[in-house]
Amino acid sequence: SAVISQKPSRDICQRGTSLTIQCQVDSQVTMMFWYRQQPGQSLTLIATANQGSEATYESGFVIDKFPISRPNLTFSTLTVSNLSPEDSSIYLCSAWDVSYNEQFFGPGTRLTVL
Amino acid sequence: TQLLEQSPQFLSIQEGENLTVYCNSSSVFSSLQWYRQEPGEGPVLLVTVVTGGEVKKLKRLTFQFGDARKDSSLHITAAQPGDTGLYLCAGGDAGGTSYGKLTFGQGTILTVHP
Repeated sequence: SAVISQKPSRDICQRGTSLTIQCQVDSQVTMMFWYRQQPGQSLTLIATANQGSEATYESGFVIDKFPISRPNLTFSTLTVSNLSPEDSSIYLCSAWDVSYNEQFFGPGTRLTVL
Repeated sequence: TQLLEQSPQFLSIQEGENLTVYCNSSSVFSSLQWYRQEPGEGPVLLVTVVTGGEVKKLKRLTFQFGDARKDSSLHITAAQPGDTGLYLCAGGDAGGTSYGKLTFGQGTILTVHP
């Protein structure tokens, strides 16, 4: 199974600033995903990040607010721009391991916006 | 849009009791994954079921995929305090532009009291 790490694990940011979250996978994966989660609740998919193409965003999420990079098959970043308190949440990345047909998650980044 | 209804949302039981969590949909899924998540961590994959009618056992946990691949259940026998956590079911799309994407249920917060 793929092992996924995220940085930072948590951060406190001021309104109007941006935070970039890094996601590193220990093996090459075709598809990576970014999710948002409120504590104790389910996951909401933000976008799908494929290497070599632009990210595909879900309804309600736009590239200007959540720009994503996917420079290679083991790494992706999610930036949350122009932060507001409503962006306070846990952000998770995941990787889909085609060989196992399974999706594995990173530990998450807890963002608090003041 | 595929939806996955998970129930119950909350479950509070005593150690030693049995419990069942359900996930139901009107849509067919190519696979169904069950995750367990503890506070401050990402979801950890418990099992993937892909065949209609499939039953998988993981120690005291039994997972079943419905014959029509529209529903699934998780049964825990003799629950222990260590089973406490957020349980999530997630359905995998069959392909096309949704390849690799998961549809998550609302989650079940399980608390097992000693």
